[in-house]
Amino acid sequence: QSVLTQPPSVSAAPGQKVTISCSGGSSNIGNYDVSWYQQVPGTAPKLLIYGDDKRPSGIPDRFSGSKSGTSATLGITGLQTGDEANYYCVTWETNLNTWVFGGGTELTVL
Amino acid sequence: QLQLQESGPRLVKPSETLSLTCTVSGASISSGDYYWDWIRQSPGRGLEWIGSINYRGMTYYNPSLKSRVSISVDTSKSQFSLKLTSMTAAETAVYYCAREDGSSGKRFFHPWGQGTLVTVSS
Repeated sequence: QSVLTQPPSVSAAPGQKVTISCSGGSSNIGNYDVSWYQQVPGTAPKLLIYGDDKRPSGIPDRFSGSKSGTSATLGITGLQTGDEANYYCVTWETNLNTWVFGGGTELTVL
Repeated sequence: QLQLQESGPRLVKPSETLSLTCTVSGASISSGDYYWDWIRQSPGRGLEWIGSINYRGMTYYNPSLKSRVSISVDTSKSQFSLKLTSMTAAETAVYYCAREDGSSGKRFFHPWGQGTLVTVSS
């Protein structure tokens, strides 16, 4: 059972928008930055968002991040079939003194 | 362009020690506010942070693994290494190395190595 809770799966049609939630607590998301990663099966995770809402260079502005209290959200607009992947949130957990990962959300673009 | 590549045995016997090395290319392992991390992923445990080291040799470990893990750095070879003792079958996983970047005041993992599947079996 992960410290960070994500929905196991989400789906939407091409061109639509989807949001993926990541729920935690005051010992993690509430006081530490969240980053988001995209992982296509068989490949390594790839950074999408850092510092809650910042995009690294090369990541399209279709991807966005936000945080409110102890929950973070990844948004993806203009969905493409190439966005089909697993998405993970990550932050620091001060009670465990370790980085913690969400359980991952599988995105299907119908 | 910074790249990381894991290397080491793909098969480890139960109770033996896992040894992996990550080679860093395209940038200096000794520069900036960076740590160099090991992360593993298995179907049963998901993604799990193992630990990190900076170029000065300062280490941080996941408390759940601390008694069995050791991470070292060799700046002359641009490499850092993982040793995990007393391996069990449940620790069969893909092991990734990654750079933990804190240069902007925010910390995140980028980039990652391609990962190496380690199987624990007799």
